[in-house]
Amino acid sequence: DAGVIQSPRHEVTEMGQEVTLRCKPISGHDYLFWYRQTMMRGLELLIYFNNNVPIDDSGMPEDRFSAKMPNASFSTLKIQPSEPRDSAVYFCASSSEHDNRAPFGNTIYFGEGSWLTVV
Amino acid sequence: KQEVTQIPAALSVPEGENLVLNCSFTDSAIYNLQWFRQDPGKGLTSLLLIQSSQREQTSGRLNASLDKSSGRSTLYIAASQPGDSATYLCAVRYSGAGSYQLTFGKGTKLSVIP
Repeated sequence: DAGVIQSPRHEVTEMGQEVTLRCKPISGHDYLFWYRQTMMRGLELLIYFNNNVPIDDSGMPEDRFSAKMPNASFSTLKIQPSEPRDSAVYFCASSSEHDNRAPFGNTIYFGEGSWLTVV
Repeated sequence: KQEVTQIPAALSVPEGENLVLNCSFTDSAIYNLQWFRQDPGKGLTSLLLIQSSQREQTSGRLNASLDKSSGRSTLYIAASQPGDSATYLCAVRYSGAGSYQLTFGKGTKLSVIP
């Protein structure tokens, strides 16, 4: 199993530009999560999907952020326009309530993150 | 607001020492609690998951305990090794409607000195 795959791993962009982060969850997982990690605030849930449907987007900071999951194997997080305060590591994670493979059932698997710097 | 707190923020110990990391949470109505490890520049790896009905879980040199009534969990690492150096985060999944999200502490950065 390839795990959760995120791209790009690193991105540096200028303020005002559009940023698109991509995620491929683990095959068969029906939950997908987008988290943001900063030194000040730690890990924060932005949005999560169940069976490709957004369930809770209350963590999305503002209208500049949007997320989509057009199918079970792909999701995007878009920031438009980007601002310096958006600089953070963005993690995608996936899980399944019916995953009995792990040592601990329905645990969550994280990608390695997309490191975003907005200058 | 549900909060998860980890103290200390950083810990440095000599190799071979046993150590305990602490996690506290404000609401005892939890579904489960997980401990994760994060290496620099990497994502999070799940170490142990304790269901609300359990009191502890063990994996190798790691033992996690859960005391819901006091809102506390500990991660015990036996015979620490330099390879254990990482940031350890605990996360709580609360019970109730719309409760699939995890609430994370900010982590304890562990350094094991050879």
